[in-house]
Amino acid sequence: DVQLVESGGSLVQPGGSLRLSCVGSGFIFSNFRMHWVRQAPGKGLFWVSSIEGDEITTHYADSMRGRFTISRDNAKNTVYLQMNTLRVEDTALYYCARDNPDFWGQGTLVTVSS
Amino acid sequence: QTVVTQEPSLTVSPGGTVTLTCASSAGAVTYNNYANWFQQKPGQPPRALIYSTDTRHTLTPARFSGSLLGDKAALTLSGVQPDDEAEYYCLLYYAGVYVFGTGTTVTVL
Repeated sequence: DVQLVESGGSLVQPGGSLRLSCVGSGFIFSNFRMHWVRQAPGKGLFWVSSIEGDEITTHYADSMRGRFTISRDNAKNTVYLQMNTLRVEDTALYYCARDNPDFWGQGTLVTVSS
Repeated sequence: QTVVTQEPSLTVSPGGTVTLTCASSAGAVTYNNYANWFQQKPGQPPRALIYSTDTRHTLTPARFSGSLLGDKAALTLSGVQPDDEAEYYCLLYYAGVYVFGTGTTVTVL
């Protein structure tokens, strides 16, 4: 079965940094585009970034470019999201998702607060 | 940044039919936007229903169908069941970048 498991979320102060991870299993990880999507409490879904299976080609939502960096290590079946200069408004549940997206993880919670 | 707009809320009777739409501030939605549709219930991650405008995922019931309706993407729920009560989101693709719609709350009443 396809599984995506996110980790790395925590409470962080404004201006801080955090790296999220998502491990995929049950499929050939390197064959699939991977995404990060976030959802602020009580709000809608927001697409953050994606990375192709080549580990090189990346895309970002305009508001994320420059602060967030997506990467992946196909040898470890893992996609990462490095988040810098975090703001209160970055508080959200961060999901990783595969491909279309079709499969989603359960999410990891990032709280930015002093 | 492109804005993708959905109806805020729709109400449908059990057994009825309801159509949700997805409009883009960048112009008409086309097959090149590869519209996706997702269902989300409280406390759960989104569940993929439709991709590439009109293709159901393997486990998506046949009562869910995707299409283009005029200049918008559309999701039609036929023979609605109480379990279909949820939030629904569309997702559009724009040359590498994706944008989610604002979401539609579907109430079955």
